[in-house]
Amino acid sequence: DTGVSQDPRHKITKRGQNVTFRCDPISEHNRLYWYRQTLGQGPEFLTYFQNEAQLEKSRLLSDRFSAERPKGSFSTLEIQRTEQGDSAMYLCASSPGLAGTTDTQYFGPGTRLTVL
Amino acid sequence: RKEVEQDPGPFNVPEGATVAFNCTYSNSASQSFFWYRQDCRKEPKLLMSVYSSGNEDGRFTAQLNRASQYISLLIRDSKLSDSATYLCVVNPWGGATNKLIFGTGTLLAVQP
Repeated sequence: DTGVSQDPRHKITKRGQNVTFRCDPISEHNRLYWYRQTLGQGPEFLTYFQNEAQLEKSRLLSDRFSAERPKGSFSTLEIQRTEQGDSAMYLCASSPGLAGTTDTQYFGPGTRLTVL
Repeated sequence: RKEVEQDPGPFNVPEGATVAFNCTYSNSASQSFFWYRQDCRKEPKLLMSVYSSGNEDGRFTAQLNRASQYISLLIRDSKLSDSATYLCVVNPWGGATNKLIFGTGTLLAVQP
């Protein structure tokens, strides 16, 4: 499978614990995005990487959230001191990032986080 | 006001029916528009891009009205397999960051 992959697919944690999610984009895709989706809502943008540079962060991304893409390939999203309100599906997407084209984003299967 | 607004539905239609979804967006400078499909507990998948001239892909037709800031999706001859949530999606800033703004989605249930 050459699509976007995410790990783990499901995570249950207790309030106050730290969690880390991984995203592997489609090979050679320059752009990587993180979104969060809660029940009954569409995905909401969290942050965006162009290669290894984090170019934009949403106001939704509080100080407890940090994302990295150290070598411009896979990315990690860490949530520190989780709260029940962090329970959601965390979606990763990647796109080629080629100038002059419609830059379609392809989504991974998501990591479903439940904070007890 | 939400940046992208959709009727959440549900739309319950019989097989073979024609159904239309509408969506409005608030940022008049928006550059790119899409419809994504999301099956229950799955990731969103691109259904089609939406162009000013309108575009068609088989049973699906998408249209954009920039003056009214309005996007539509028409599904003809509905199939059971069309049952899903349809997300209206806008890229408000074009190539700058390419982040997508999603509507809440419209739930379609096609019934036998």
